Amino acid sequence: NAGVTQTPKFRVLKTGQSMTLLCAQDMNHEYMYWYRQDPGMGLRLIHYSVGEGTTAKGEVPDGYNVSRLKKQNFLLGLESAAPSQTSVYFCASSYSTGTGGYRNQPQHFGDGTRLSIL
Amino acid sequence: AQSVTQLDSQVPVFEEAPVELRCNYSSSVSVYLFWYVQYPNQGLQLLLKYLSGSTLVKGINGFEAEFNKSQTSFHLRKPSVHISDTAEYFCAVSDEGRRALTFGSGTRLQVQP
Repeated sequence: NAGVTQTPKFRVLKTGQSMTLLCAQDMNHEYMYWYRQDPGMGLRLIHYSVGEGTTAKGEVPDGYNVSRLKKQNFLLGLESAAPSQTSVYFCASSYSTGTGGYRNQPQHFGDGTRLSIL
Repeated sequence: AQSVTQLDSQVPVFEEAPVELRCNYSSSVSVYLFWYVQYPNQGLQLLLKYLSGSTLVKGINGFEAEFNKSQTSFHLRKPSVHISDTAEYFCAVSDEGRRALTFGSGTRLQVQP
C-alpha cells in the first residue's frame, strides 16, 4: 500500500546545480501537486497538474519546472538551485470526480524530500 | 483571494487535558475545510473535513471540529489529549476556482506528561 512515494528523501546541492525530484502515486489519482514547506509558512503550492500532460503554476513557481508525462508520476525540477530553495518538498495527489469534483477530495501526501542548497 | 489564519503557532498542554486549535479563514465563496496532522519527519495526514451539512465534524483519533460560517472559523478540538497527539496541525481551505488547497501556517501541539 505505497500511496505517494517521493525520491530522494534527502539531498544536498551546491548553488547552481540542477536536480529532479520524483513523485509517484499508485492510486490512479488525476490531480498531483508539489508544495514546499518552510518554518512558520505552512505549505505553499509550487505547481500542480490536473491530468497527464497538463501542468499549471501555483503560488511560488519561480525557479521550478514540472512535467507529468505519465499519470502516476509528477516530476519537479530545479534548473539552477539557489539557497532560497532550501526547503522540505511535499508531493500530494487527489482524486477527481470529473465535473470539477476535486475540491472536496482529500489530498494524499508523500513523506517529503529535504533539500539543502549550499 | 482566500487565506487561512492559525492564531497559535504553538500550544503546550498537559496529557489528558482538553485542547482547541484555532483556525479562521477568509473566502468570498463557499468553502470546503480540512484539518491535517503532520508527525515528525512525515507527510500530512487528513484528520477531518467539512464539506456540507452538520457543522460539527468528527475525525480520526478523537478529534472534532466545528464550522462556524458567521465567524468564518473551523476550530479543532479534542476533549483529552495523549502524548501521541504531539504533532503539527494544519488547517486548509479549498474554494471555487482554486484547484489546490490554501494552508495555514500550522500549530505545533506539544503534549506534556
